[in-house]
Amino acid sequence: AQTVTQSQPEMSVQEAETVTLSCTYDTSENNYYLFWYKQPPSRQMILVIRQEAYKQQNATENRFSVNFQKAAKSFSLKISDSQLGDTAMYFCAFKNYGGSQGNLIFGKGTKLSVKP
Amino acid sequence: DAGVTQSPTHLIKTRGQQVTLRCSPKSGHDTVSWYQQALGQGPQFIFQYYEEEERQRGNFPDRFSGHQFPNYSSELNVNALLLGDSALYLCASSIGGSRYGYTFGSGTRLTVV
Repeated sequence: AQTVTQSQPEMSVQEAETVTLSCTYDTSENNYYLFWYKQPPSRQMILVIRQEAYKQQNATENRFSVNFQKAAKSFSLKISDSQLGDTAMYFCAFKNYGGSQGNLIFGKGTKLSVKP
Repeated sequence: DAGVTQSPTHLIKTRGQQVTLRCSPKSGHDTVSWYQQALGQGPQFIFQYYEEEERQRGNFPDRFSGHQFPNYSSELNVNALLLGDSALYLCASSIGGSRYGYTFGSGTRLTVV
């Protein structure tokens, strides 16, 4: 069974600085998808960025980028120019490639605090 | 364009009671998944509905059941509530088993006393 591990329960960063959140996963599959979701106090899970395992190029969305190391099964999230609105829980998630295996497997999350 | 809508937002029930939670998917989405998020944990997959049928199920007992209607909306039913069922219940919608991820609602906070 696939598992997702986030080893940093809490992190903090100063506004405008850069922070990296770690995620490792375990799978025997070759094709899959990885996601980072943000959950602010409003509780809604918001998709931050996604990565397809068969693509070697790391995904980037504005201030958010990932470092995807397939062999190491590592998928870290880098947030540049941190903003107060980035304060939230961040969850790493794994999804199998097959359409019939549609569920997301989440890590336990990292609580990120951006300080002014 | 409305996103995923869940109701109610908060709910308090007594042990042994039954509860029904509701979800309306994002416009254009045909698949609904339900997740349980205990305090301080990541969401756990309960089940997924597509074409009004349960397509996949996580490791949850039969007390958890669901339904999907022809308009793609969905209900989650939990029978014989236990204190351990207290959690945030999240609904997520997608187009099929989307590789693009899912759109989540803001959840229903269920407290069992």
